[in-house]
Amino acid sequence: EQQVQQSPASLVLQEAENAELQCSFSIFTNQVQWFYQRPGGRLVSLLYNPSGTKQSGRLTSTTVIKERRSSLHISSSQITDSGTYLCAKTSSGQKLVFGQGTILKVYL
Amino acid sequence: EAAVTQSPRNKVAVTGGKVTLSCNQTNNHNNMYWYRQDTGHGLRLIHYSYGAGSTEKGDIPDGYKASRPSQENFSLILELATPSQTSVYFCASGHWGEGQNTLYFGAGTRLSVL
Repeated sequence: EQQVQQSPASLVLQEAENAELQCSFSIFTNQVQWFYQRPGGRLVSLLYNPSGTKQSGRLTSTTVIKERRSSLHISSSQITDSGTYLCAKTSSGQKLVFGQGTILKVYL
Repeated sequence: EAAVTQSPRNKVAVTGGKVTLSCNQTNNHNNMYWYRQDTGHGLRLIHYSYGAGSTEKGDIPDGYKASRPSQENFSLILELATPSQTSVYFCASGHWGEGQNTLYFGAGTRLSVL
């Protein structure tokens, strides 16, 4: 069973529109992280959000533990935001389990 | 800035050959990880380590070995490479403790097994 589910699988936006990415977990977790990956590039940590709402610049993450879900909101999207956004949860043994990602494409 | 360096960046191997992927980190992190990334599967954990001399099996360890000879270095070894191991491999380092636990990734190694 996929422990981390992300939706949508892909998203196309016009520049300046807002994006809402979702992540759900089959098993309870209290440690959620969001990563960004440029095509062909390395993963970069965006936000660590175990619960509640966390903000970093144009990014806002909301994690609701009892509902086993987390979201990432990108406001005023820019072309440079294009890439893959991955959600991850901490698993036993100090590991991260990743979702399959949401591919975001922002155009002019 | 946390630094994780992988080598080689690209590798073409023949079926049945031995392949070694190397990873070096200058973060002084205890934990290191090897993931592979494939379309439709996302990132999957192959092996990881809690420190020098330690290696642990991840979710898909079959066909792979790992070696952690020092705090800085973590290698992934394919003794008998197969075409199914064609993928992009990412190494990461991380520190686990109170508060934020996150990983710092290398740029990846693109492996093609022919």
